[in-house]
Amino acid sequence: DVKVTQSSRYLVKRTGEKVFLECVQDMDHENMFWYRQDPGLGLRLIYFSYDVKMKEKGDIPEGYSVSREKKERFSLILESASTNQTSMYLCASRPRDNPETQYFGPGTRLLVL
Amino acid sequence: AQSVTQPDIHITVSEGASLELRCNYSYGATPYLFWYVQSPGQGLQLLLKYFSGDTLVQGIKGFEAEFKRSQSSFNLRKPSVHWSDAAEYFCAVAPSGYSTLTFGKGTMLLVSP
Repeated sequence: DVKVTQSSRYLVKRTGEKVFLECVQDMDHENMFWYRQDPGLGLRLIYFSYDVKMKEKGDIPEGYSVSREKKERFSLILESASTNQTSMYLCASRPRDNPETQYFGPGTRLLVL
Repeated sequence: AQSVTQPDIHITVSEGASLELRCNYSYGATPYLFWYVQSPGQGLQLLLKYFSGDTLVQGIKGFEAEFKRSQSSFNLRKPSVHWSDAAEYFCAVAPSGYSTLTFGKGTMLLVSP
């Protein structure tokens, strides 16, 4: 089974802190994605990556950055966390040769105080 | 740009009753269409997908969906709902299998005894 894991299920941070959300997949997928999920807004794409060291902005990249130094790991960085970044963050991956199927991690619920 | 509308925020269905969740999309050509389910505290799981061919597609857990080009719709159905189907359901669209997904805002399904 494909496994996408996220480093924390719940995280509490203070305004202004630098926050790292880690995502690891074990199926050698080329493509990885970060979404945030908010009630009534569904999932919105923050950043994605088609390969190591590559990154593309999604629909709502402001206030976020990403890092993809290794194929299996895709990190989301909040340089200076703000209360409006309190949300559920979902990571996903998919293979290049079968791109129609995207696999999601369990999510990290982040609270910024 | 493509968009997805899920008109129903919440739906309550009695256990054993049939279910239909609505999804309408906006896109010039026939897009790739997906339905995902998110159980409480979990990531998203793919239920089914449509690219071309037979407009009635079967998915996991007894779900099916029908693509209707004339109505720009991709509604999800299940003949008999089980209590374990209570979850949030997301419709998603992409111009191609290699594109990023655009998600609807979700429909929360509640199952009454």
